[in-house]
Amino acid sequence: DIVMTQSPDSLAVSLGERATINCKSSQSILYSSNNKNYLAWYQQKPGQPPKLLINWASTRESGIPDRFSGSGSGTDFNLTISILQAEDVAVYYCQQYYSNPPWTFGQGTKVEIK
Amino acid sequence: EVQLLESGGGLVQPGGSLRLSCEASGFTFSSYSMSWVRQAPGKGLECVSSIHPGGERTYYTDSVMGRFTISRDDSKNTLYLQMNSLRADDTAIYYCAKPSSNPGLFDYWGQGTLVTVSS
Repeated sequence: DIVMTQSPDSLAVSLGERATINCKSSQSILYSSNNKNYLAWYQQKPGQPPKLLINWASTRESGIPDRFSGSGSGTDFNLTISILQAEDVAVYYCQQYYSNPPWTFGQGTKVEIK
Repeated sequence: EVQLLESGGGLVQPGGSLRLSCEASGFTFSSYSMSWVRQAPGKGLECVSSIHPGGERTYYTDSVMGRFTISRDDSKNTLYLQMNSLRADDTAIYYCAKPSSNPGLFDYWGQGTLVTVSS
């Protein structure tokens, strides 16, 4: 199974500042035939289900603010919140959906306000 | 509007059984693979089981293999998870998840149903 490892486990950032979360996969999730990275980012607020923010490593879902951006390729990926807002307090998960299941998630990164 | 409504969770003793349901609407249910993803209290996300369109191909994570059975009734737009021989470590919120352009990329989630396994 592909293991997804996020860092850090938690992050405290001042309002208006930048937050960056790293996600590493145990093997490449870049599919050479289409040059796509099979990597998604989700946001989960307390008491709510996860919400898809970014797919294919860097494509924002419709309606997601442009302060959220994804980058990286192969085995190393980042989610960046460029200007942290109070409503961005949540746990963020990366997930690989490469090939067949199991599709696996990182352990999560909790983002809080400093 | 896509909606996924889970039901069937509750408190069950170790060794017991439960059947979860997920009623879907707002999309062509029969055309999509569907998955159950669970989250133990205070923990992360785990894809437990998936089923392809038509129901012939299924997937189970190792820890539930032989105990859980996923199925679907496309005439009722409903996904099921039959859970037998339940253990304390099956305690979790169980979410029904719909994929977008890839079977493992989940763009819609239900609100979840809580399964508690305890004596």
